[in-house]
Amino acid sequence: KAGVTQTPRYLIKTRGQQVTLSCSPISGHRSVSWYQQTPGQGLQFLFEYFSETQRNKGNFPGRFSGRQFSNSRSEMNVSTLELGDSALYLCASSSGTGLVTDTQYFGPGTRLTVL
Amino acid sequence: DAKTTQPPSMDCAEGRAANLPCNHSTISGNEYVYWYRQIHSQGPQYIIHGLKNNETNEMASLIITEDRKSSTLILPHATLRDTAVYYCIVRVDRRGTSYGKLTFGQGTILTVHP
Repeated sequence: KAGVTQTPRYLIKTRGQQVTLSCSPISGHRSVSWYQQTPGQGLQFLFEYFSETQRNKGNFPGRFSGRQFSNSRSEMNVSTLELGDSALYLCASSSGTGLVTDTQYFGPGTRLTVL
Repeated sequence: DAKTTQPPSMDCAEGRAANLPCNHSTISGNEYVYWYRQIHSQGPQYIIHGLKNNETNEMASLIITEDRKSSTLILPHATLRDTAVYYCIVRVDRRGTSYGKLTFGQGTILTVHP
C-alpha cells in the first residue's frame, strides 16, 4: 500500500504571497490532519478533515485554511505569508473513526521557506 | 490528554538494546500510550501503541507498568538508522474534541553510536 504523499516537498515564497500544499492519504483513509513543525514550537496541530468537512481545528489564525476533496485528498492554504510561517508542514492520514486506536500515518512533509 | 515526560536525550551503542522511558503519571483508564519517531526532517513514523499489556511488533516492544504510570519503548538491537527523536504520546478516545489531533511533546533524541 502506498503511503501518504505530499507535494511539493520544498517551496520558497516571499512575504505576502500565498501558498497551497497538497496531501494524498493512504488509500481507504478518509481523515487527513495537518501539522506545522517549527524549531521553536515543535509539532502543532492545524486542523483535521473527514468526508470533506473540517472536524477539528487548532489554534492558528484564519490565514491557515484547508479543504478536502471527495477522493479524500486534502489541500491546505496559507495566505499573506509571514516569515514565521517558515516550517515543515506535515499531513497525516487515518481511517477517521476517531477511536483512540485509529492510528495516524504521516507523510514526508513540505518544507516551506518564506523570505 | 495525560501529560508525558521524557528525557531530552539518550545514547545507545549500535547492536545494543535502546530503552526509552516515558512517564505518564496522570494517565487515566481509557488512555492509550503511543510511540512515534521522527528521523531528521522527515515525517513522524508510527512505532507501536498499547493500553495496559505489553506489546511487540517488528519494530519494537512496549512495556507498560502495572499501574500504567510509565512505559518503556525497547528497540532490541539498535542500528545507526534508529537515531531519531522519539515521541511518547498519550491518547484518549474523546471524539468531537480531539479528532485527528495528536499532541506532541519535545520527545527524546536518541543517538546510536557505532
